[in-house]
Amino acid sequence: KAGVTQTPRYLIKTRGQQVTLSCSPISGHRSVSWYQQTPGQGLQFLFEYFSETQRNKGNFPGRFSGRQFSNSRSEMNVSTLELGDSALYLCASSLDGGGSTDTQYFGPGTRLTVL
Amino acid sequence: KQEVTQIPAALSVPEGENLVLNCSFTDSAIYNLQWFRQDPGKGLTSLLLIQSSQREQTSGRLNASLDKSSGRSTLYIAASQPGDSATYLCAVYNAGNMLTFGGGTRLMVKP
Repeated sequence: KAGVTQTPRYLIKTRGQQVTLSCSPISGHRSVSWYQQTPGQGLQFLFEYFSETQRNKGNFPGRFSGRQFSNSRSEMNVSTLELGDSALYLCASSLDGGGSTDTQYFGPGTRLTVL
Repeated sequence: KQEVTQIPAALSVPEGENLVLNCSFTDSAIYNLQWFRQDPGKGLTSLLLIQSSQREQTSGRLNASLDKSSGRSTLYIAASQPGDSATYLCAVYNAGNMLTFGGGTRLMVKP
């Protein structure tokens, strides 16, 4: 079974631009979560989608948004990029995103650099 | 608000040594606790998941324990190898369908 895939793997953007990142979950998984990883803040939760609905959102500004499609693939968008948005963005998928037995499987991440 | 702490932040050991990584969390209302491994510049690999009702889980040379009442978990690595060198992350799964991560322990196993 294929793992979680993320595209693109690397991105370089300039301040003020916007970016869209994509995540394809493991087949059969309906929950997709996004995390931001930076050296200073570590791993922080962005949002979680299940069956095309955002179920939870972390403490990030409205410039960060996402969506999920009917095939469970998800995209996240960051508008008006700032230097501090430079990070590794990780996507995780799980069967239903809840419960004690639900393992989160992570993709390889998208490395975003904002110049 | 859930907070997760990992001690030590970095650890260097000679090959063959047994070692223990520590994780503590402030809110015991968790669904489960997961240990992950991250190699430099890469994503996270799930190592072990311990359900909130369980006390420990084992996989090969890895053993993870959970004491929910005291808010602690340990990851025990037996007979460490240079290939075990990586950052180990502990994360608790809370209501709200989100993982809260610790800062990680950076492990170096020297040949």
